Amino acid sequence: NAGVMQNPRHLVRRRGQEARLRCSPMKGHSHVYWYRQLPEEGLKFMVYLQKENIIDESGMPKERFSAEFPKEGPSILRIQQVVRGDSAAYFCASSPRPNPSTDTQYFGPGTRLTVL
Amino acid sequence: EDKVVQSPLSLVVHEGDTVTLNCSYEVTNFRSLLWYKQEKKAPTFLFMLTSSGIEKKSGRLSSILDKKELFSILNITATQTGDSAIYLCAVAPNAGNNRKLIWGLGTSLAVNP
Repeated sequence: NAGVMQNPRHLVRRRGQEARLRCSPMKGHSHVYWYRQLPEEGLKFMVYLQKENIIDESGMPKERFSAEFPKEGPSILRIQQVVRGDSAAYFCASSPRPNPSTDTQYFGPGTRLTVL
Repeated sequence: EDKVVQSPLSLVVHEGDTVTLNCSYEVTNFRSLLWYKQEKKAPTFLFMLTSSGIEKKSGRLSSILDKKELFSILNITATQTGDSAIYLCAVAPNAGNNRKLIWGLGTSLAVNP
């Protein structure tokens, strides 16, 4: 049973380019969460999605960042016109359908974005 | 505003020592508290606690929750160098359809041989 998958694992972009990060949740999981982690800092929540719905995007920067989780295919975190400050590790986590026992989120290996 | 505070921020011990990591929280309508371990990669799940006073145990790690005083502790006995990591605490508020977790900043543990 494959875990959460993210690709690419490493992504290098020049300033002004677009970055697309992909996340495939665990089989049977319909909830996806994106986090950003800067070196030596904690996890910062960005956005929480269910299939075709954004539930909470309170952690997303207002500009340049967007996320989707289509009915078919992986969740995508898109960063337009990247800047050096976007360099970070971006983690995706997934969880199954809501249930009191399933607050547990399972993390993917992360995508390390470097902006030159 | 919901928040989770972990202490200490960092800790250095010798192999064989016992450590206690703290997590206190203020959230609206608490549902559960989770502990994760993060080495140089993604966080891995350790425990989920929902009831006060019931210890969860896995090998040398154990954790307990106090819902009256709003905190949890994570104990690691007979520490090993492989326990060196950041330990993250997160709390799930009971917020209807929103399953977002509130995260602490973590405790960075270094175990020296």
